[in-house]
Amino acid sequence: NAGVTQTPKFQVLKTGQSMTLQCAQDMNHEYMSWYRQDPGMGLRLIHYSVGAGITDQGEVPNGYNVSRSTTEDFPLRLLSAAPSQTSVYFCASSYSNRSPLHFGNGTRLTVT
Amino acid sequence: GIQVEQSPPDLILQEGANSTLRCNFSDSVNNLQWFHQNPWGQLINLFYIPSGTKQNGRLSATTVATERYSLLYISSSQTTDSGVYFCAVEGQGGSEKLVFGKGTKLTVNP
Repeated sequence: NAGVTQTPKFQVLKTGQSMTLQCAQDMNHEYMSWYRQDPGMGLRLIHYSVGAGITDQGEVPNGYNVSRSTTEDFPLRLLSAAPSQTSVYFCASSYSNRSPLHFGNGTRLTVT
Repeated sequence: GIQVEQSPPDLILQEGANSTLRCNFSDSVNNLQWFHQNPWGQLINLFYIPSGTKQNGRLSATTVATERYSLLYISSSQTTDSGVYFCAVEGQGGSEKLVFGKGTKLTVNP
């Protein structure tokens, strides 16, 4: 099993550009989520999904879109990047929302 | 929403020492997990422990749900234990959202 795979590892964007952060898991997990990590802020939930076709907002959803068309994939879209979205982004998955959460290795995003 | 506080924010130990990290939360929980973020940024799940006690090698965790806290014990610490330890909880309101504390940064010196 590869676990949770995130691509790319690093990305630099200009303000206003759009991009998609990819996340895939091969553990047949129903629950998937996206977090951002900023210095001194811990991890904050952006969006989550309890199964294919179902998504919901976390603490900091503004500026981000998600979709869950398959169990395996949960991409995060930045529609118009802003410097405030400079952060490290982590995707995570678990069998259910009441089971151990497994993280990908993160994507470091810089918006200039 | 539920609040999570971790203490201490920073901890420096000599190799071989024991330590206790604390996680306080403001409401009843359905879900509580401990994670270790190593110096390379990887987040590793240590324990899923909404109540009771679990042990895994030199690490153990106890959650006293009725008193709204959890403790992570590290015994005979090693330099590889360095990093940031996070507690994350989901409140009993059925929010399906795991909320993280700000973490305890542990440095183990040789």
